Amino acid sequence: QVQLVQSGAEVKKPGSSVKVSCKASGDTFNIYPISWVRQAPGQGLEWMGGIVPIFATPNYAQRFQGRVTITTDESTSTAYMELTSLRYEDTAVYYCARDTVSRSRPRDLGYWGQGTLVTVSS
Amino acid sequence: DIHMTQSPSSLSASVGDRVTITCRASQSISNNLNWYQQKPGKAPTLLIYAASSLHSGVPSRFSGSGSGTDFTLTISSLQPEDFASYYCQQSDDSLALTFGGGTKVEIK
Repeated sequence: QVQLVQSGAEVKKPGSSVKVSCKASGDTFNIYPISWVRQAPGQGLEWMGGIVPIFATPNYAQRFQGRVTITTDESTSTAYMELTSLRYEDTAVYYCARDTVSRSRPRDLGYWGQGTLVTVSS
Repeated sequence: DIHMTQSPSSLSASVGDRVTITCRASQSISNNLNWYQQKPGKAPTLLIYAASSLHSGVPSRFSGSGSGTDFTLTISSLQPEDFASYYCQQSDDSLALTFGGGTKVEIK
């Protein structure tokens, strides 16, 4: 069965960067879109961007353009999300999620990682 | 970006009730609409894709309808395990997926 396992919680200072990993197993890695979604405490879901590993060209939500970088490593079936210039309001749980079917762009997020809490604190 | 508006933002209901949640898109999105359930402290799970198709393993008491700009998620008979938050998400613009603000279903 498909599993997405994310890296552990992080505490970061304002202005620094964080890189969260998401290791996939149970299916072919490079043909399914992977998205990153975040959720601030008590708030809703926010899509940050996505990538299809075989195409290696990510798409980012406009509000994160310039601060987020999504990459993949096909040799380890791992996706990464790096967020720079961290602010207090970036404190959130960050999820990776995979589409249900192989396609060229993300559409429906059928498999989710367990989430990674990133706390921005001085 | 396509803006998604859910209503209500919260509701109270009893076990056995029929519950309806609505989602409106800021422009027509055909049937490119998904619904997710999220329980506290857990990742979301996909309930319905393409507006009305039930994801694998989802109970048949969940159903979705709509097209264009207006969509509905219905729980025909609310069960104790259904108390959770629900989110709609458009996939019409797959370069910029967007979610609704969420609906929290609480016990009456």
